[in-house]
Amino acid sequence: AQSVTQLGSHVSVSEGALVLLRCNYSSSVPPYLFWYVQYPNQGLQLLLKYTSAATLVKGINGFEAEFKKSETSFHLTKPSAHMSDAAEYFCAVRGTGNQFYFGTGTSLTVIP
Amino acid sequence: DTGVSQDPRHKITKRGQNVTFRCDPISEHNRLYWYRQTLGQGPEFLTYFQNEAQLEKSRLLSDRFSAERPKGSFSTLEIQRTEQGDSAMYLCASSLVAVLGAETQYFGPGTRLLVL
Repeated sequence: AQSVTQLGSHVSVSEGALVLLRCNYSSSVPPYLFWYVQYPNQGLQLLLKYTSAATLVKGINGFEAEFKKSETSFHLTKPSAHMSDAAEYFCAVRGTGNQFYFGTGTSLTVIP
Repeated sequence: DTGVSQDPRHKITKRGQNVTFRCDPISEHNRLYWYRQTLGQGPEFLTYFQNEAQLEKSRLLSDRFSAERPKGSFSTLEIQRTEQGDSAMYLCASSLVAVLGAETQYFGPGTRLLVL
């Protein structure tokens, strides 16, 4: 079975500080992993995805994530937070049956 | 291409009424997914279509829910005899299945349902 766990439902960082959002996955097969961002009252927008190529994946808006098989993790980072990064972030894994399993989300607050 | 669109964006209904939502996927996308998202939670899979065929349906999905994709393009999700517990954001996503690489889902803005 596949699942993802997002540690920390709320994360606050100062503007300009490092952003680190944590995601651990469980998968019985080599996983396809995704990070999505959701702004209030909007749908989800893809930030980046891991497809078993490079373990360090670069996405939009300066975000990147590193796939670590030994730790079953796929944490999302950004070197310097911007006010516009404030949003809800979801980690997801694609299951064997074409279902996508999403985490419960992490709400990022950026403090000016 | 304008992306995935959903209609309506908001729906308020009384308990017991039927509601229908529409999703228009990105052109040429052959897969279409429906999700439900409640406050503080991630999207929960409901069902998906490959072209016009409904291939998978969540075991948690009540019989009051039905979805169609008659011509393999737009899709509708109907909820019959709505209950207050159906209040949620209903998200649609579409994707183009490729031979290589991970399938990427593109989401619509969602339909927010409130059942009074």
